[in-house]
Amino acid sequence: GESVGLHLPTLSVQEGDNSIINCAYSNSASDYFIWYKQESGKGPQFIIDIRSNMDKRQGQRVTVLLNKTVKHLSLQIAATQPGDSAVYFCAENIEEDTGRRALTFGSGTRLQVQP
Amino acid sequence: GAVVSQHPSWVICKSGTSVKIECRSLDFQATTMFWYRQFPKQSLMLMATSNEGSKATYEQGVEKDKFLINHASLTLSTLTVTSAHPEDSSFYICSAWVFGYGFSEAFFGQGTRLTVV
Repeated sequence: GESVGLHLPTLSVQEGDNSIINCAYSNSASDYFIWYKQESGKGPQFIIDIRSNMDKRQGQRVTVLLNKTVKHLSLQIAATQPGDSAVYFCAENIEEDTGRRALTFGSGTRLQVQP
Repeated sequence: GAVVSQHPSWVICKSGTSVKIECRSLDFQATTMFWYRQFPKQSLMLMATSNEGSKATYEQGVEKDKFLINHASLTLSTLTVTSAHPEDSSFYICSAWVFGYGFSEAFFGQGTRLTVV
């Protein structure tokens, strides 16, 4: 059910530093994971995804790490920029259900980049 | 790329009135669309799964008679909030999957901010 009255955890970093955002997922059957960025008043934007047959995937300035043993995901952003300031959500799915099943979102982390 | 578009982006309505939110897939067909609700400083919570040509599937705790979903075509799903109350004020977001050769991606609309006064 929904969490009531919780505030998003906030990660505050200096411009140029690396950021690491963590996420714990709950469904051990999940095998497809996605990180989304959400700016204020907008819908989520895809950043990077990873499947359970991998433990690391790199994109442009971003890296996702997956630890299936402890059901943990992390998003690393290199050389964080002010434009990276947003709320970041991890999402999980069961790949064979793609299209029929909605993504399940984590609780989110607010990233604040100080100039 | 594939785009999911919602309309309106924001709406203010009086208590007791109904509000319709549209979700369109602009350059692809979607037999299934998903409706989420997001309260301030919280995550996206799935409300219902909209299926083209059949009844929507609602998540536990979501009143189907209050949140009417119609998916009449492969490119349009609508969510109608009936007899709106201030507690229905929230950010509503729709989503659809796009499939290509060797890939799939979930696209999200830009969201609709509903304020009930």
